[in-house]
Amino acid sequence: GENVEQHPSTLSVQEGDSAVIKCTYSDSASNYFPWYKQELGKRPQLIIDIRSNVGEKKDQRIAVTLNKTAKHFSLHITETQPEDSAVYFCAASRGQAGTALIFGKGTTLSVSS
Amino acid sequence: GAVVSQHPSRVICKSGTSVKIECRSLDFQATTMFWYRQFPKQSLMLMATSNEGSKATYEQGVEKDKFLINHASLTLSTLTVTSAHPEDSSFYICSARERVYNEQFFGPGTRLTVL
Repeated sequence: GENVEQHPSTLSVQEGDSAVIKCTYSDSASNYFPWYKQELGKRPQLIIDIRSNVGEKKDQRIAVTLNKTAKHFSLHITETQPEDSAVYFCAASRGQAGTALIFGKGTTLSVSS
Repeated sequence: GAVVSQHPSRVICKSGTSVKIECRSLDFQATTMFWYRQFPKQSLMLMATSNEGSKATYEQGVEKDKFLINHASLTLSTLTVTSAHPEDSSFYICSARERVYNEQFFGPGTRLTVL
């Protein structure tokens, strides 16, 4: 079945540094790749997404890149702040956007001041 | 923005009882809703896809007779955990698909604890 691998599982950075989280997916039909931030006991919050016709998307300090040939996509957070500390999940759609999402195992990001 | 609610937010029950969780899209119609389960410090695992007016599609390994899903209207899907056992204790999260922008919006989740 489809699978999404996410690395690293934990990431510790100093405030102001950049953080990069990488994911690979197996389903060639996937064409929607969202990233979520989840705080303890709360719902996942969409922070950025990318669709397969785009290679890169940026929103202020957050950017996502997609390499569809290699089936991998990455989240880049620049100028990290302590409030960026959370668990981040990548996901890949099972086919078109709006279909079920298959999630990576998550990355716990810790930003120390 | 689109809002999805879940009720209850937290439930504690005895082993062997059944628990119903509601997922509602408050300001949009959702022909498709998804149910996920998240164990502590783990990822979200897709349990089933719920389509309005038809039977749910369950993921491999998810018992359809134990996790009953009913999507009776365009704004409501329910998940009933039947004969709950301690191993069913988890965080259950629904999401609803908004048709215009084809985005999914997550509910706040339901924490189920089975004693």
